[in-house]
Amino acid sequence: RKEVEQDPGPFNVPEGATVAFNCTYSNSASQSFFWYRQDCRKEPKLLMSVYSSGNEDGRFTAQLNRASQYISLLIRDSKLSDSATYLCVVTKAGTALIFGKGTTLSVSS
Amino acid sequence: DTAVSQTPKYLVTQMGNDKSIKCEQNLGHDTMYWYKQDSKKFLKIMFSYNNKELIINETVPNRFSPKSPDKAHLNLHINSLELGDSAVYFCASSRRPSGTNYNEQFFGPGTRLTVL
Repeated sequence: RKEVEQDPGPFNVPEGATVAFNCTYSNSASQSFFWYRQDCRKEPKLLMSVYSSGNEDGRFTAQLNRASQYISLLIRDSKLSDSATYLCVVTKAGTALIFGKGTTLSVSS
Repeated sequence: DTAVSQTPKYLVTQMGNDKSIKCEQNLGHDTMYWYKQDSKKFLKIMFSYNNKELIINETVPNRFSPKSPDKAHLNLHINSLELGDSAVYFCASSRRPSGTNYNEQFFGPGTRLTVL
């Protein structure tokens, strides 16, 4: 079983749609959780951290369920510029990032 | 500009050759990393250095040897290149993580290595 699993998609949605991505992780000792965004042929960039209480950043909402070892990302009112691959990431031993394979989102007009 | 930079951006070479990729960061970070992203887009940690000391060394063939001449640089040397080494290699840096505190990692633009 992979350490971090995501539905690879692709998710094809129209502008304005709400889309949700899910992720599960296998190591219950994982300490920190994130969503990174990677545009085509670019480097990954931190989108947001994920906290147990849930957190929101504009149109993006992240949730963490430690008991189920489940992380989610909700994007409301999708924009064309949201088209990218979204990487679910957990930390191992506080240093290395463990990446999921990513979920590809394509937003069309 | 403050950033993590890598050279070269593209590297095409023959099997069996030896090549190096360089990484530099001017963010004042003391921890640097190498990641490999393969053709299936799976991004995986290879090495991590803190203050020139190797702290993470994942299961990577010993043909790969990282070298950190100082805190701002982490180079990756690859001997006897194989077809399976073709991938995008990303360098990253962060302040040193302490305990359970995570410090954001900033990635370089990547080096696309193609082995023929």
